[in-house]
Amino acid sequence: EIVVTQSPGTLSLSAGERATLSCRTSQIISNIYIAWYQHKPGQAPRLLIYGGSSRATGIPDRFSGGGSATDFTLTISRLEPEDSAVYYCHQYASGPFTFGQGTRLETK
Amino acid sequence: QVQLVQSGAEVKKPGASVKISCKASGYTFTRHYVKWVRLAPGQGLEWVGLIDPGDGAINYAQEFEGRVTMTRDTSTSTVYMELRSLTVGDTAIYYCARVAAPSTWYDRLDPWGQGTLVTVSS
Repeated sequence: EIVVTQSPGTLSLSAGERATLSCRTSQIISNIYIAWYQHKPGQAPRLLIYGGSSRATGIPDRFSGGGSATDFTLTISRLEPEDSAVYYCHQYASGPFTFGQGTRLETK
Repeated sequence: QVQLVQSGAEVKKPGASVKISCKASGYTFTRHYVKWVRLAPGQGLEWVGLIDPGDGAINYAQEFEGRVTMTRDTSTSTVYMELRSLTVGDTAIYYCARVAAPSTWYDRLDPWGQGTLVTVSS
C-alpha cells in the first residue's frame, strides 16, 4: 500500500498570502497519478488538480500543483477567504487508492 | 451536467447493515468506474472500493472485504454500496465518486456525490 502523508496538518495564513501544502508518498510514483481535492464542511470534495499539475475545469490559476517522485505540492497564491477548507492529496497509481490525512487551511 | 446524487442519511444500530444508493446522470453510466470513499469523524478520506458499472466487476479495500458489497442497476444508472456488521467505527460520511476517464480505475475522481451520513449508535 502506498502511504500518503500530508503536511502541515493545519495552516493559518492571511488573505493575499501564498500557501504551500506538501504531500509525500511512501513509494515513487509518476506525478500523473496525483490529485488534490478541496473539501468544505457539508459539501462534496471538489477536484482541484489532477495529473500532478493540471487544473480541473473552472479552477482559478491561483491553484497550482507540482512535484515528482515522492514529493508533491499544492500551491495557492493570493489566498482568499473562501479558500478555507481541508485539502487532500490522493494517489491513484495503484490500489488501494489512498489519500493523505488532509491539511486544514484557515484563511484569516 | 455530470451528477451523482446519493440517498439520505441513515441511523443504524451496531451489527446492522446499511445500503446506500448513488444515482448517476449526465454521462454514459457504463463507461466510468465508480469509487466509494468515506470520511469518518477526525479522520481523512478512506477508499472503500470500486465498481465497474459496465460489467459489475468490483475491487474492495482489504479492510472491508467480507463486509461490503457493491452492485449496480444499469436500468436506473444507480450504484449501491451495502456495508454489513456495522460498528460505531463505521460512523462516517460515505461518498460515491466517478472516475473521470472512461474504462480505467487509474484516474482522478470527478465529480463526487453529496455524501451520505451513516451514524452507527446503540
